Amino acid sequence: AQRVTQPEKLLSVFKGAPVELKCNYSYSGSPELFWYVQYSRQRLQLLLRHISRESIKGFTADLNKGETSFHLKKPFAQEEDSAMYYCALSGLNQGGKLIFGQGTELSVKP
Amino acid sequence: GAVVSQHPSRVICKSGTSVKIECRSLDFQATTMFWYRQFPKQSLMLMATSNEGSKATYEQGVEKDKFLINHASLTLSTLTVTSAHPEDSSFYICSARARLSGQETQYFGPGTRLLVL
Repeated sequence: AQRVTQPEKLLSVFKGAPVELKCNYSYSGSPELFWYVQYSRQRLQLLLRHISRESIKGFTADLNKGETSFHLKKPFAQEEDSAMYYCALSGLNQGGKLIFGQGTELSVKP
Repeated sequence: GAVVSQHPSRVICKSGTSVKIECRSLDFQATTMFWYRQFPKQSLMLMATSNEGSKATYEQGVEKDKFLINHASLTLSTLTVTSAHPEDSSFYICSARARLSGQETQYFGPGTRLLVL
């Protein structure tokens, strides 16, 4: 079964602290993994995807096929990073369908 | 670029009436559009995949006669909630998929909040 699991509903850190939002997936094949972000009162937007291997707004995520994980990391959190973060999976030949995790609310305190 | 709009942004209706929600890609043509439903403090649940000129593909457990999807053009998809009931109250979000900047990406609309009384 295809599944994306984000174990933390809420993650609260202080400004400047490192952040890691966890994401594990279940998929029989080679999926494409994404992180989407939703800031307060805004629409969902793509943050990064694993195939791009890029850093966006200081965030990075590495696909670990052995652990079936795609954790999102940032070394120094900023207050403006406070938002809902969703990990999502898309399978090969599935026409772009996304399966979302439950989401993690990141709260960065001053 | 890559803006997706939804109309209306919120709607309140009486039980038994039908409600139509529009999803438009404003500055690009979308190969595929998707409809999601989001309950409070929960994730997005894919309802159906919509391709222009063909029947929508519904996810398991989603009633196709209840949630009618029409995809008339490469920039417009509509979701009609027929004979709405209070349990249909939810946040409905659409997305449009396109290959811009060399990669297929889904661009999301702002969502439509439906309240059925």
